[in-house]
Amino acid sequence: GESVGLHLPTLSVQEGDNSIINCAYSNSASDYFIWYKQESGKGPQFIIDIRSNMDKRQGQRVTVLLNKTVKHLSLQIAATQPGDSAVYFCAENPPGGGFKTIFGAGTRLFVKA
Amino acid sequence: GAVVSQHPSWVICKSGTSVKIECRSLDFQATTMFWYRQFPKQSLMLMATSNEGSKATYEQGVEKDKFLINHASLTLSTLTVTSAHPEDSSFYICSASPGGTGELFFGEGSRLTVL
Repeated sequence: GESVGLHLPTLSVQEGDNSIINCAYSNSASDYFIWYKQESGKGPQFIIDIRSNMDKRQGQRVTVLLNKTVKHLSLQIAATQPGDSAVYFCAENPPGGGFKTIFGAGTRLFVKA
Repeated sequence: GAVVSQHPSWVICKSGTSVKIECRSLDFQATTMFWYRQFPKQSLMLMATSNEGSKATYEQGVEKDKFLINHASLTLSTLTVTSAHPEDSSFYICSASPGGTGELFFGEGSRLTVL
């Protein structure tokens, strides 16, 4: 497989603060990127996506930033809540793979009440 | 959103036996489904792309004879772990995309424990 992660890095934030989760992707030709949230024992859940012709996209309380120059994605969560505690993965669609999606290493977010 | 269902959600088997995991798209048709494996505290690793009516496409390093994939209909793909061993114990997750959207929907995963 590709982009298999090692043990997950952890980000701990206070409830109400903003969270920033970073990710490096592997394929400079990938044209579609997605952030997923995974709670313990469950499958990943779509949060937000962005195409390579954009550098920023906003959703409800979340913003994704894309820097193609350095192959970097970030997910910003505003006013982080305890329910946001989960593992967050960035993922990419490499070219020519259809909807084939490759996951990055992931970050565990802890929200302290 | 679209719903992808997996069954069973967890299974325990003896070493040497085979286990079948089902992945169903409940409210849409999927010509392509994807199977992932996830070890504890690690990321999802793509195992194979399941193609309706044709052979699956396996990622490098994934044994096609060990992980048999069948995609016999537009709403069902199955993954069979043959002659399972303890190192095959993992969380297996499938996903599918409603036609043309690009957004993947994931099943709830199937946890396999091989004794």
